[in-house]
Amino acid sequence: SQTIHQWPATLVQPVGSPLSLECTVEGTSNPNLYWYRQAAGRGLQLLFYSVGIGQISSEVPQNLSASRPQDRQFILSSKKLLLSDSGFYLCAWSVDLASYNEQFFGPGTRLTVL
Amino acid sequence: AQKVTQAQTEISVVEKEDVTLDCVYETRDTTYYLFWYKQPPSGELVFLIRRNSFDEQNEISGRYSWNFQKSTSSFNFTITASQVVDSAVYFCALSEAFYQGGSEKLVFGKGTKLTVNP
Repeated sequence: SQTIHQWPATLVQPVGSPLSLECTVEGTSNPNLYWYRQAAGRGLQLLFYSVGIGQISSEVPQNLSASRPQDRQFILSSKKLLLSDSGFYLCAWSVDLASYNEQFFGPGTRLTVL
Repeated sequence: AQKVTQAQTEISVVEKEDVTLDCVYETRDTTYYLFWYKQPPSGELVFLIRRNSFDEQNEISGRYSWNFQKSTSSFNFTITASQVVDSAVYFCALSEAFYQGGSEKLVFGKGTKLTVNP
């Protein structure tokens, strides 16, 4: 069966520091991968998605970036964090090239920028 | 543009009550999918159901049921005989196809926080 991992689970970082969040998927090949952010309260905002290694599409311009160095690895990064980057970051995957498939989410990383 | 509206921000019920969570969507696509996800306090989103636009049959899974009505662009979710473990934030979502690259995008509603009190 497929599983999705995210780490770290929680993170407290000062403003201006770098960020690296990692997401890995097991049990499937060539998945579509997604990064979402959920700000305080609710509402999920799609940040990036990837259909393959090295292929990244950005939904919202910001100081975050994403990379996919391996088929089942998706990394969210920032060179300098802002206070507004605080939130709950969720990684998700879906079956490649299958229309309208559900996305499966990881456990999330709670980021607090101070 | 595609949009999902969950007008109920928060709902509070007493255990064993039935509760319906509303979801209204907007889309120009003739082919689309609707989803419900549950987010318990732990934070992880749990997939509950997917429904395609050509299938308007209601679905029941245990205490959960879903009512899809294209005429009113609604996809409502009912929990029968609610339990404390049902307490969570529930999200309705609509698929929006990205024809470039073969990926799909989910458009989420803002969620409804359900609290079931003992």
